[in-house]
Amino acid sequence: NAGVTQTPKFRILKIGQSMTLQCAQDMNHNYMYWYRQDPGMGLKLIYYSVGAGITDKGEVPNGYNVSRSTTEDFPLRLELAAPSQTSVYFCASSSGTPSYEQYFGPGTRLTVT
Amino acid sequence: EDKVVQSPLSLVVHEGDTVTLNCSYEVTNFRSLLWYKQEKKAPTFLFMLTSSGIEKKSGRLSSILDKKELFSILNITATQTGDSAIYLCAVGGWAGGTSYGKLTFGQGTILTVHP
Repeated sequence: NAGVTQTPKFRILKIGQSMTLQCAQDMNHNYMYWYRQDPGMGLKLIYYSVGAGITDKGEVPNGYNVSRSTTEDFPLRLELAAPSQTSVYFCASSSGTPSYEQYFGPGTRLTVT
Repeated sequence: EDKVVQSPLSLVVHEGDTVTLNCSYEVTNFRSLLWYKQEKKAPTFLFMLTSSGIEKKSGRLSSILDKKELFSILNITATQTGDSAIYLCAVGGWAGGTSYGKLTFGQGTILTVHP
């Protein structure tokens, strides 16, 4: 099993550009999550999904969008990138029932200049 | 709003020392408290504590949960340079609807172990 995979590993965007961060898991987990981690900080939840077709906002959703058309994939879309979105982005998944343990992808380091 | 606070924010010790990391929390309908270790990459799971399991131990690491006082501690004995990392505490609750499974993370404790 590959676990949780993310692409790309690194990306530099100009202000106003858009991009999609890809996330996939092969553990048949229903629950998937997107976090951002700023330097010296913990993880902030952006969006999450409890199954295909069901998504909900987390703590910091502004400037982002998600979709969940399959159990395996959970892409994160950045529209009109801003310097405040410079961060490391982690995708995670969990079986959700009953364990809260989340498995993390390797992360994407995004810089917006 | 769920809240997790970790202390200290950073800690510098020498190999062989024992360290105690703290995590206090406020959460709706507590379900689990988790500890993760992060070494310049993705967080990796250490322990999960629940109402039915308030103490866990693995090698030199151990953790306890005090549900009455709403805190947890992570102890590392005989520290090694390989223990240098960010230690993250996260709490899961349930506020109804689709919120099951969500974690709220603390800001982390940066542990540096010198030889």
